[in-house]
Amino acid sequence: EAGVTQSPTHLIKTRGQQATLRCSPISGHTSVYWYQQALGLGLQFLLWYDEGEERNRGNFPPRFSGRQFPNYSSELNVNALELEDSALYLCASSQQGVGYTFGSGTRLTVV
Amino acid sequence: TQLLEQSPQFLSIQEGENLTVYCNSSSVFSSLQWYRQEPGEGPVLLVTVVTGGEVKKLKRLTFQFGDARKDSSLHITAAQPGDTGLYLCAADFGNEKLTFGTGTRLTIIP
Repeated sequence: EAGVTQSPTHLIKTRGQQATLRCSPISGHTSVYWYQQALGLGLQFLLWYDEGEERNRGNFPPRFSGRQFPNYSSELNVNALELEDSALYLCASSQQGVGYTFGSGTRLTVV
Repeated sequence: TQLLEQSPQFLSIQEGENLTVYCNSSSVFSSLQWYRQEPGEGPVLLVTVVTGGEVKKLKRLTFQFGDARKDSSLHITAAQPGDTGLYLCAADFGNEKLTFGTGTRLTIIP
């Protein structure tokens, strides 16, 4: 069974640009969660999508947005990038919220 | 805002020693999960505990859920270098998201 896949693995952007991160959940999982893990810090909840709808959102500004497609894959978009957006962005999927399976993450560096 | 605090933040011990890490909150949670994360990878689920007072064992790892459902501990017996990693607890406070703890970075010295 294929796990959660994220792309790209690494992404380097300059301040003010936009970044798009992608996530494919485990087959059969309808929920996708996005977390930000800044260096030295724990995971901060960003967004939860289920059945194509945004179900919950963390304490992040509106320039963090995303969507879930009919095949349950998801995109995270970050607009007007700031230096402090540099972090590991993790995507997880689950079925009915029981036990998350994480991808390996996208390392976003803003210069 | 529910917070999960883990202690210690860093722990470095010799191979073969025992250790315990803790996860505490001021709020009750319905379930708690423990994850281990290695460099360059996402967290991997180790165990889920849902019943107050529950104890689960996974080889040399013992997980306990506090009676009051506000705390949990992870005990590792005879630590091995392969146990090295970032250990994260994550709680369901019933607010439609999993809240992660601050993490314990464990280093086992051969």
